[in-house]
Amino acid sequence: DFQMTQSPSSLPASVGDRVTITCRASQDISNYLAWYQQKPGQVPKLLIYAASTLQSGVPSRFSGSRSAADFTLTISSLQPEDVATYYCQNYNDAPLTFGGGTKVEIK
Amino acid sequence: EVQLLESGGGLVQPGGSLRLSCAASGFTFTSYTMGWVRQAPGKGLEWVSDINDSGGRTYYADSVKGRFTISRDNSKNTLSLQMNSLRAEDTAVYHCAKAKSSGSAYDIWGQGTMVTVSP
Repeated sequence: DFQMTQSPSSLPASVGDRVTITCRASQDISNYLAWYQQKPGQVPKLLIYAASTLQSGVPSRFSGSRSAADFTLTISSLQPEDVATYYCQNYNDAPLTFGGGTKVEIK
Repeated sequence: EVQLLESGGGLVQPGGSLRLSCAASGFTFTSYTMGWVRQAPGKGLEWVSDINDSGGRTYYADSVKGRFTISRDNSKNTLSLQMNSLRAEDTAVYHCAKAKSSGSAYDIWGQGTMVTVSP
C-alpha cells in the first residue's frame, strides 16, 4: 500500500528557529506533493503545492523542496502564529494520502 | 467570496446511511475537481474521495470503497457524499474541498459537518 511517512510527529522549537518537516513517499509521486497548515479549531490551509510552489498569500518564510522521495517543508524563522499541525499530501494518484501530521509548538 | 458550505451531518446508528451535501459559491464550480476529506476527533486528515469536474471520474479511499458514493450536480453547484453501511470508525468531521485544478492540491476547504456513528 502507498504510504506517506511524515516526521517528526511533534516538534518543539523556539521563536526564530529554522524548522524542518519531512515526508517520504513509498512510491514515485514526482512533484505532486502539497503541504497544509492546520491551526487549532481551523480548517487546513494550503501552504505549498507542486512540492515547492508557494500558495498565494503565504509568507515567504515557508518553503518546500524535494530530494528524490523525500519532501521537506521549512520554516526559516519560526513565528508564534506558526503554531499548528502541518500535513503533507500526495496528489499524484489515488489514494491522495496525507502524512500523519507534525505538531509544531513553541518551546 | 469563494465558499463551501457542508450540511447533512448528524448522529446515525452503525449500519445506517447519511447523505452529505456541499454548496459551492464564488467560483466556476464546473471547472474544478472536488473532494471530501475527513478528520476523526483528535486525529489527522484522511482523504475520502474525489470527483473530476464533469463527474465522470470518481476515486475512493479503500476504507470507504463500496460504501460511499461521491457525486456532483453542476447545475446546482453542489457536491454530495452518500454514505451507506456506516461504521463507528467513520465518525469524523467531513470537509468538502476544491482542487486548484484537475489532479491538484486543495486550495479551498469548507468548515465541515460532523458525522457520529454510534448505537
